[in-house]
Amino acid sequence: QLQLQESGPGLVRPSETLSLTCTVSGGSININSYFWAWIRQSPGKGLEWIGSVHHSGGTYYNPSLKSRVTISVDTSTNQFYLKVTSVTAADTAFYYCAKESGRGPAGFWGQGTLVTVSS
Amino acid sequence: DIQMTQSPSSLSASLGDRVTITCRASQTIGTFLHWYQQKPGKAPKLLMYSVSTLQSEVPSRFSGSGSGTDFTLMITSLQPEDFATYYCQQTYSTPPTFGGGTKVEI
Repeated sequence: QLQLQESGPGLVRPSETLSLTCTVSGGSININSYFWAWIRQSPGKGLEWIGSVHHSGGTYYNPSLKSRVTISVDTSTNQFYLKVTSVTAADTAFYYCAKESGRGPAGFWGQGTLVTVSS
Repeated sequence: DIQMTQSPSSLSASLGDRVTITCRASQTIGTFLHWYQQKPGKAPKLLMYSVSTLQSEVPSRFSGSGSGTDFTLMITSLQPEDFATYYCQQTYSTPPTFGGGTKVEI
């Protein structure tokens, strides 16, 4: 059974870089028709799609975050990653990783991890 | 970005009620419309995709309809486990965007 699990620091200082890992188990990340996404949820902004990556390395980003976000994948470890630079309090949110079908919904989600930006 | 507007933002209902949630897109999105259910402390769960196709194991009391810009999620005979927040999402264009959510409570 497919499972996704986010990991990374729960507290990040303002202006620093937020880094999260999503570990995929119970299935391979090397599936052509799927993308691996990051989605966040904060009380003020609801659900926000951050971006996604294909196992080939191709990426799509939300234009509102593109200048600060990098999503990458490592097929040898079945993991994909999120980096958000120059964080502020507005980046405080639950961060979820998810599996998306091409132009389709996010069918599988991780449980989410809370990242707080604070000094 | 395509704006997704849900209404109502919250509603009160009783067990056995029929509930209707509306989602409107700021431009046509064909049938690239999906619904999620989220319970407190949990990740959203895909309920229905492409307007009306139920995800596996989702009960048939859930149904969806619509096309273009206006869509509806209906729950017939509300059950205790249905009290949750529901979100619509469009994947017609990048970035995918979500509605603001509808909280269904007693």
